Amino acid sequence: NAGVTQTPKFQVLKTGQSMTLQCAQDMNHNSMYWYRQDPGMGLRLIYYSASEGTTDKGEVPNGYNVSRLNKREFSLRLESAAPSQTSVYFCASSGGWAGVNEETQYFGPGTRLLVL
Amino acid sequence: AQSVTQLGSHVSVSEGALVLLRCNYSSSVPPYLFWYVQYPNQGLQLLLKYTTGATLVKGINGFEAEFKKSETSFHLTKPSAHMSDAAEYFCAIETYSGGYQKVTFGTGTKLQVIP
Repeated sequence: NAGVTQTPKFQVLKTGQSMTLQCAQDMNHNSMYWYRQDPGMGLRLIYYSASEGTTDKGEVPNGYNVSRLNKREFSLRLESAAPSQTSVYFCASSGGWAGVNEETQYFGPGTRLLVL
Repeated sequence: AQSVTQLGSHVSVSEGALVLLRCNYSSSVPPYLFWYVQYPNQGLQLLLKYTTGATLVKGINGFEAEFKKSETSFHLTKPSAHMSDAAEYFCAIETYSGGYQKVTFGTGTKLQVIP
């Protein structure tokens, strides 16, 4: 089991460029999440997908779009990158709320994004 | 609305001393509460969680936390700090209401262990 994988690990963009962050999980989890982590602000939820075929906005969705491609994959797209989007991005997955032990989130290693 | 407050962005303890990291929450529905740990340049991993049942929960690496509803707290403790405990710790609250799931993380507490 690889768990949650993210690509790329590191990316530098110029303002206005677009890119897609990829995330995949091999734990057959229903729910997937995208967070950004900034110093002193903890993790903030960008978007999440409670199940295949559904996506919902989190706390800070502006400037981002997501696609739940299938049960395994959940991508995050920046259409026109801005310096304010410089951050570390984490993908996570969980079994969902089908049972008591399925709400724990498992995190990927993160993508460090620098927007110049 | 729900929120999590972690008191102290940095905590320093001596090796062998008690570790106490504070977390208070606010929620209008029964919460699930978590502590995650993050080592440098890594993702978060679960230390422990409270869902239902016993209010004192034990996690990995000798950590434990007690859910106190009357105090709306979920503080993390460890009797004796080890150098390997140096990391950043995040408290998180998760609720599920009206078909919607909501997750909120605290801003984190960096633990420094002094030899």
